[in-house]
Amino acid sequence: QQQVKQSPQSLIVQKGGISIINCAYENTAFDYFPWYQQFPGKGPALLIAIRPDVSEKKEGRFTISFNKSAKQFSLHIMDSQPGDSATYFCAASRGRNTDKLIFGTGTRLQVFP
Amino acid sequence: DTEVTQTPKHLVMGMTNKKSLKCEQHMGHRAMYWYKQKAKKPPELMFVYSYEKLSINESVPSRFSPECPNSSLLNLHLHALQPEDSALYLCASSQAATPNTGELFFGEGSRLTVL
Repeated sequence: QQQVKQSPQSLIVQKGGISIINCAYENTAFDYFPWYQQFPGKGPALLIAIRPDVSEKKEGRFTISFNKSAKQFSLHIMDSQPGDSATYFCAASRGRNTDKLIFGTGTRLQVFP
Repeated sequence: DTEVTQTPKHLVMGMTNKKSLKCEQHMGHRAMYWYKQKAKKPPELMFVYSYEKLSINESVPSRFSPECPNSSLLNLHLHALQPEDSALYLCASSQAATPNTGELFFGEGSRLTVL
């Protein structure tokens, strides 16, 4: 129940395309869903996050879509760029408690010119 | 200053060595974390310090010993490690742990190789 399942494991997209990464959770007590981006040789960094009281949140080219009834959420990267090539981790927690943040398994995104 | 600084960036040690990883932040955060990350895997929580007190130990072997000398510094002392402990060790901080704004600030990590 504490797991967050993430797919796909890897994703290859052409420049200008849409990248979509999906996550699913079981624990209905989770109420905070961040996405972290990790470049090679760097630590993860918060990209965007959503609470379950909204179905979508957009920041620039990055959008989180949230489906509370299906217990699923996804990250969409519009107009994907080579600079977006990184590993993306979805995560979930209850009450934004970072000491109990559960990470998904990660998606390695490669964007080719 | 929104950085978490970790030293050293790379460390190679034998199984009988004693070494330490260091982490520093000057954002006034009161929670600090150690994570372990294996290749192509998500970060795994090891320890959480909240207000300089150890609040979470995720059943980490005693060959890893954390220390929080003050609110800005976090150390991880290493002794008698095994080759399977080779990994990227990430330090992170947040304003608090529970409750929190939800954002973890990670350092770039210390890549440890145990021979």
